[in-house]
Amino acid sequence: AQSVSQHNHHVILSEAASLELGCNYSYGGTVNLFWYVQYPGQHLQLLLKYFSGDPLVKGIKGFEAEFIKSKFSFNLRKPSVQWSDTAEYFCAVSNFNKFYFGSGTKLNVKP
Amino acid sequence: DADVTQTPRNRITKTGKRIMLECSQTKGHDRMYWYRQDPGLGLRLIYYSFDVKDINKGEISDGYSVSRQAQAKFSLSLESAIPNQTALYFCATSDLKQDPFFGPGTRLTVL
Repeated sequence: AQSVSQHNHHVILSEAASLELGCNYSYGGTVNLFWYVQYPGQHLQLLLKYFSGDPLVKGIKGFEAEFIKSKFSFNLRKPSVQWSDTAEYFCAVSNFNKFYFGSGTKLNVKP
Repeated sequence: DADVTQTPRNRITKTGKRIMLECSQTKGHDRMYWYRQDPGLGLRLIYYSFDVKDINKGEISDGYSVSRQAQAKFSLSLESAIPNQTALYFCATSDLKQDPFFGPGTRLTVL
């Protein structure tokens, strides 16, 4: 089975700071990669996804992620965070349409 | 109207009771999933179904059962609820090569 690791469990940033959240996965074959965001009290929403092609993926709300196959990584980045980015972020990996999620990273952005 | 609906949205029950959580979708997706979310553990797959006649166990199926009554409906049952099944439960749907679309969640508390 896949495993997905998110090493940062809780990140606190000030507004305008840059963000990078790490995600590593275990499967060596072809995978699809996702980042989801969960705002307080809400369900998961897709931020971005990678299936193939350009390893630098741009998503909604200024987020982007880079797939580095050799490192089994799919890190999420944003150049300048806002208070409204306060949420929990989940990395997910799928193969054969089974989805595996990381344990999540809580981001707290101070105004 | 919401694409994926879950009922109930909140439920408090007692140990030993049988509970059913229902999920219905209007997205026309073949694949449906049940996940539970626990703080610090992310989302873990309980059961998934790729079509009406296909039911598969996920990572943590013990203590749960499911029923795929129709393409649009996928129910999760707790035959005899126990306190460590207290969690947030999400239903999700997807189609081939699509990212899962999540329902709003059901918060279940077992006393």
